[in-house]
Parts: sequence; structure tokens; C-alpha cells
Amino acid sequence: EAGVTQFPSHSVIEKGQTVTLRCDPISGHDNLYWYRRVMGKEIKFLLHFVKESKQDESGMPNNRFLAERTGGTYSTLKVQPAELEDSGVYFCASSHIGLRKISYNEQFFGPGTRLTVL
Amino acid sequence: AQKITQTQPGMFVQEKEAVTLDCTYDTSDQSYGLFWYKQPSSGEMIFLIYQGSYDEQNATEGRYSLNFQKARKSANLVISASQLGDSAMYFCAMREGIMTTDSWGKLQFGAGTQVVVTP
Repeated sequence: EAGVTQFPSHSVIEKGQTVTLRCDPISGHDNLYWYRRVMGKEIKFLLHFVKESKQDESGMPNNRFLAERTGGTYSTLKVQPAELEDSGVYFCASSHIGLRKISYNEQFFGPGTRLTVL
Repeated sequence: AQKITQTQPGMFVQEKEAVTLDCTYDTSDQSYGLFWYKQPSSGEMIFLIYQGSYDEQNATEGRYSLNFQKARKSANLVISASQLGDSAMYFCAMREGIMTTDSWGKLQFGAGTQVVVTP
């Protein structure tokens, strides 16, 4: 079974440009999450999709970030226009929808996209 | 406010020794889960172990065990018999709240502990 994949693995862009990151979750996983780690800081949650719907987008830093998950399969995260502080590693994770009880329902992470804004 | 605190930014451990990575958390929820992930230099995040707030026994997975002290709100990871391949960044994370829908909420991460295993 293929894991979570992310594209590109690295992206170097100039301030003001647009970048689109893609995440392909594990097949059958309805939950899809975006996180990012800015240099030297914690991994921070950005948003959570359940199928094609945004369940929680409380972590999106501002309206320069736009996430979509059309059809409930892969997701894209667009940054437009990119700023210097957007540099970091963007992780995508996916998980099953669990049963109605407490269970751990692990999130499987992709390898991340390293974004550098110059 | 910081929800997950990992006070050790980095540590060295000798091969075959045990190492304890500290993690304390802050939540007012009664139901929550605690996770440890490993991130080697290659960058991927690897799930290691989970502890639920209602679990009465400490979680174990092979050489990994979780020292869960609920009253102290700590969830330390113990790696026994360290191997060179254990060199990595280790993240503690928490998911709060009872699942009320068929979906699972976000993870909140600590800053991580960089472990270097020496021969």
C-alpha cells in the first residue's frame, strides 16, 4: 500500500510568487491534514479535511493560504503571494475515519515539502 | 499557551543504553491521546507509540515504552537498548477531546528532542 505522497519535495521561489503544494493521502483515508514546521519551531496544524469538506481550518495563518480537496482525494495548498516567513516544511497527513469510541487512529505523514521563499 | 512541552532540545546517548525523552502536556479535557513520532534526517514522520488518557497500562511497542503519569501530565518516551538508527528528532504530540463526529482532530506537537546515538 502506498503511503502519503507529497509533491514537490522541495520548492524555492521568490517573495511574491505563487506556489502550490500537493498531497495524495493513503487510498481510502477520508481525513487529510496539513501541518507546517517553520525553522526551529514546533510543527503547527494548518487545517483538516474530512473528505472534501474543511473540518477545521483554525490553523491557517492568513488568506494568502488556500487549501482545496476537490472530490475528496488529493489536496492542494496554495500560497499566494508567498512571503519570507512562509518558508518551512509543509507536511500532509491522512487517517481513517474511526469508530465512535476513543481509539488512537494514527495519522500517517508524508515526507513533507520544503518551501524556501527568497 | 504551549500545550506540549519537550524540555530537552538535544541529547547524546551511547549505543545499547536506554534513553528517556521528556514530554509534559496541558489540557483540561478528560479524553485525549498522546503520540510519539520519530523524524530521521530523511524527513519522514514515523509513528512510534500511542497512549490514551483512559488507558490504565503504559503503552509499549518493541523497544519503545511510554511512561504515562496522568496526575503529573507527563508522557515520557523510553527507548531501551539504543541503536545507531535511533538517531533522529523525536516529537511528542497530543490530540484533545472526545470524538463527536466520524472524524479525528488535529495533533498538537512539542518542539522536539534531537537524539544522537553514539557508538
